[in-house]
Amino acid sequence: AQSVTQPDIHITVSEGASLELRCNYSYGATPYLFWYVQSPGQGLQLLLKYFSGDTLVQGIKGFEAEFKRSQSSFNLRKPSVHWSDAAEYFCAVVSPSGANNLFFGTGTRLTVIP
Amino acid sequence: DAGVTQSPTHLIKTRGQHVTLRCSPISGHKSVSWYQQVLGQGPQFIFQYYEKEERGRGNFPDRFSARQFPNYSSELNVNALLLGDSALYLCASSFRPLNTEAFFGQGTRLTVV
Repeated sequence: AQSVTQPDIHITVSEGASLELRCNYSYGATPYLFWYVQSPGQGLQLLLKYFSGDTLVQGIKGFEAEFKRSQSSFNLRKPSVHWSDAAEYFCAVVSPSGANNLFFGTGTRLTVIP
Repeated sequence: DAGVTQSPTHLIKTRGQHVTLRCSPISGHKSVSWYQQVLGQGPQFIFQYYEKEERGRGNFPDRFSARQFPNYSSELNVNALLLGDSALYLCASSFRPLNTEAFFGQGTRLTVV
């Protein structure tokens, strides 16, 4: 069955520390991969996406993600977290040969402490 | 440029009632998708419309329906509301049917009491 797994429900990091949020997918073929961020009471904002090519993808707000085919993973990273990064982060996929819609993981809530 | 706009922002309904949620896509976008986000979960796909035709439907009961108008705006209708329908309803617009360039609205928070 197709699935997107975000193993960490909640992560707490200190401001200035590095961050890695994990995402694993289970699809027959490599899907299109996305990371979205959602601030409290807000809609979703696209951070970055991967379709093909260079496996290290740069996004907005200083985020990057690395696609690893062998591990079926697409982890999100940031070298130095800012207090404004506190939010909910969602990994999502679109099947390149199936439905058009986004399929989301359950999310990881990021808390940033001073 | 206006982004995706949804109305209303908040709504409280009683069990058994009907609700209509509205979405205006970004100008030039012809595809509108609806997602339901229950508290603590990721968004789940409900419907997609492109050029006024239904292009996809998620695993939701027939109480949920939608339509797209000639100006590409869209309505999501939910009949016979249940407590479990309480959620944030998100609308996403894109130029093409494939949601690889989807832009989301702020959502409508529906509370069913």
